[in-house]
Order: sequence, then structure tokens, then C-alpha cells
Amino acid sequence: DVVMTQSPLSLPVILGQPASISCRSSQSLVHSGGGTYLNWFQQRPGQSPRRLIYQVSYRDSGVPDRFSGSGSGTDFTLKISRVEAEDVGDYYCMQATHWPPWTFGQGTKVVI
Amino acid sequence: EVQLVQSGGGLVQPGGSLRLSCAASGFTFRNLWMSWARQTPEKGLEWVASINEDGGEKYYVDSVKGRFTVSRDNAKNSLFLQMDNLGADDTAVYYCAKGAHFDNWGQGTLVTVSS
Repeated sequence: DVVMTQSPLSLPVILGQPASISCRSSQSLVHSGGGTYLNWFQQRPGQSPRRLIYQVSYRDSGVPDRFSGSGSGTDFTLKISRVEAEDVGDYYCMQATHWPPWTFGQGTKVVI
Repeated sequence: EVQLVQSGGGLVQPGGSLRLSCAASGFTFRNLWMSWARQTPEKGLEWVASINEDGGEKYYVDSVKGRFTVSRDNAKNSLFLQMDNLGADDTAVYYCAKGAHFDNWGQGTLVTVSS
């Protein structure tokens, strides 16, 4: 199984400042067909998870452009260019290349 | 607008059964894989099961194999998770999700296994 490791697990942020979350996989997430299936999810307090980013860097509809995803192979990053109050919550990476099982990172708690 | 409305869940005794349902709308249900995940404070998010478009392929996390059954009714745009022989470790908030890439999530339903 692919193990997803996020860091940090807790991320204190300052409003208006950038923030970054790292996600590493135990093996390359490049699919035999060429795609890389790494997703990022946001979970605000008391809400269901919401996908922000798919295939490493594609933003889902309605996701503010202050969120960006990057990376390749086994190392991936979610960046928030300028943190806003509504960005508080938990963030998870998930791989959908080598399944089953689909596997999630442990989560990163973004706090102000 | 994509909507996934979950029902079912609740309190059940160890060894008991529950059936979760997920009513989908806003997309062509019969054309997409569907998935279930669960969440606990201790283990975080965990994929539980996925089913392909026609229900011919089903996949489960090892810990629920032989106890949980995922199914779907494409005529009713509905997804189900039959959970049997439940144990304390199955206590979690369960989510249904659109696709194999978890595009959209339901509101979640709490399953508590306790005597």
C-alpha cells in the first residue's frame, strides 16, 4: 500500500501571509498511463471534506486561485498564497494512482 | 449542482448491522464510480469501499472485507453500504463520495458501535 506522509501536522499561519503543506508518497504516483493522481482536500470545522486540487495542480471549480498544487513523483505541495480566515481547517492529500487501497495523508491542521 | 444526501447510521450494538444510503443528484450517476470513506479523530480519513459504474467491480479496505458490502441502484441514483458484524473500530463518520477521485462528498453520517 502507498503511504502518504504530510508535514507539518499543525501549521500556525498569519492572515495575509503564505502557507505551505508537504505531502510525500512511499512510491511514485505516476500512473502507467502517464497521469499523476494526487488530490488535496480541505475540511473546515464541522463540514465534510471538499476537494481543492486534483491531478497535482488542477483547481476544482470555485476554488480560489490563492490555492495551488505542485510536485511530481513522490513529493507534492499545497500552497496558499495569502491565508484568509476561512482557510482554517484540516487539509489532506490522497493518492488515487495505486489502488486499491486509495490512501490519505494524516492531515494538516491550519490554525491562526 | 451535485448533491449527495446520506441517510442511515446511528447507534448499534457490537455484532449488529446497519445500512447506509446515499442519494445522488446533479450528475449522471450511472456513468461514474462511487466511493465510501470514514473518519475518526484517531485514524483520520480512511477509504472504505468503491464500486464501478455497473456494480461489477467492488473494492474494500482489508479491515471491512467480508463484513461490508457496497452496492448501487442506478435506476434510483442511489449508493448503499451494508455493514454487518460491526465492531467498536467501525465507529466513525461515514461519507459517500462521487467518483474514484472523491470529487464531491456527502454530509456524513455518524455510526456508533457500542453496547
